[in-house]
Amino acid sequence: AAGVIQSPRHLIKEKRETATLKCYPIPRHDTVYWYQQGPGQDPQFLISFYEKMQSDKGSIPDRFSAQQFSDYHSELNMSSLELGDSALYFCASSFNSYEQYFGPGTRLTVT
Amino acid sequence: KQEVTQIPAALSVPEGENLVLNCSFTDSAIYNLQWFRQDPGKGLTSLLLIQSSQREQTSGRLNASLDKSSGRSTLYIAASQPGDSATYLCAVDTDKLIFGTGTRLQVFP
Repeated sequence: AAGVIQSPRHLIKEKRETATLKCYPIPRHDTVYWYQQGPGQDPQFLISFYEKMQSDKGSIPDRFSAQQFSDYHSELNMSSLELGDSALYFCASSFNSYEQYFGPGTRLTVT
Repeated sequence: KQEVTQIPAALSVPEGENLVLNCSFTDSAIYNLQWFRQDPGKGLTSLLLIQSSQREQTSGRLNASLDKSSGRSTLYIAASQPGDSATYLCAVDTDKLIFGTGTRLQVFP
């Protein structure tokens, strides 16, 4: 069965650079979520989209933005990167707000 | 504000033991509760989902219960194996998932 796809899997950036993370949800899923998991932390909700519209917003810095496109894939754009942005970024998708299925994550390292 | 707590934070047991992991949450207004497994540096694998109207779910050696009124869920692992070693996270669904602090489990041969 198709799963959630995230790219890239690993990303190394320098401070003040920008990064774009991509997420391809499971086909026919209508909701995409982004989570950030810092070292030794539990995942924290960033933002979600339902049918290409932002549906909820969590602790997402103003330097970050996200959108969902017509083909339902989503991108998380991160600007002016800081050392503290180093984390695992997970995307999840669901159908009708039911069970969330997680992608393998993108490990971002900011040096 | 919803807060999710897991006890114990860490657990080390010999192979074959039956285990109970605990999860508590402060606001009973949830849609679902999910239990996940996470290996070090890896992604989240969904183990069980309990809808708010359900009391328990079972999958193989795993059984999860939910008592929404008291804000508690337990994950029961029967006949633990070294391959069960991982961090177990519970998460309550309030349109977004709010995760607990996790229980780091080690099962030794």
